[in-house]
Amino acid sequence: QVQLQESGPGLVKPSQTLSLTCTVSGGSISSGGYYWSWIRQHPGKGLEWIGYIYYSGSTYYNPSLKSRVTISVDTSKNQFSLKLSSVTAADTAVYYCAREGEDCSGGSCYNWFDPWGQGTLVTVSS
Amino acid sequence: DIQMTQSPSSLSASVGDRVTITCRASQSISSYLNWYQQKPGKAPKLLIYAASSLQSGVPSRFSGSGSGTDFTLTISSLQPEDFATYYCQQSYSTPRGFTFGPGTKVDIK
Repeated sequence: QVQLQESGPGLVKPSQTLSLTCTVSGGSISSGGYYWSWIRQHPGKGLEWIGYIYYSGSTYYNPSLKSRVTISVDTSKNQFSLKLSSVTAADTAVYYCAREGEDCSGGSCYNWFDPWGQGTLVTVSS
Repeated sequence: DIQMTQSPSSLSASVGDRVTITCRASQSISSYLNWYQQKPGKAPKLLIYAASSLQSGVPSRFSGSGSGTDFTLTISSLQPEDFATYYCQQSYSTPRGFTFGPGTKVDIK
């Protein structure tokens, strides 16, 4: 059973770079077939997809965050990481990593997020 | 961008009640719609994918329906463990740009 676990600083100063890592266990990122995503949730608010990476290194980011986001993968450690630069208080949120599954068996490809990591709260404050 | 709305934003119900939550997309998304359940302090959990397919391990009292712009999540007989917030999410946008609804909180009457 695949499990994901986020790690990284819980407090980041404004204008600095937020860095988080997601460690995957119970399955290999390099086996392919899945996209590895970051999603965030502002306190008491809804969910915002940040971006994904494939094991090959190909990425796609939410256009609203694209200029500040970098997602990378380290298949040797079975980890993928998020960097968000020039953070402000508006970036305070719980950050989740998640696996994006895909089913194309019916001719159309359906995608969903499962499983998710437990989430980690990152606060941007001086 | 495809915008998702949900109604109601919250509801109160009793154990055993039939509960229906509605999700609407700003444009047709065929059946590219997922439902998640989130309990306080926990990560979202996938319940339904492709509008009506039940994720493995999810109780059969959960069901999803709809296509195009209007979708529903139904809990046939609400159980104590079902009190949570429910989110819909569209997976139609290509390339990615998946968006979530604002959520519906189900609490105890």
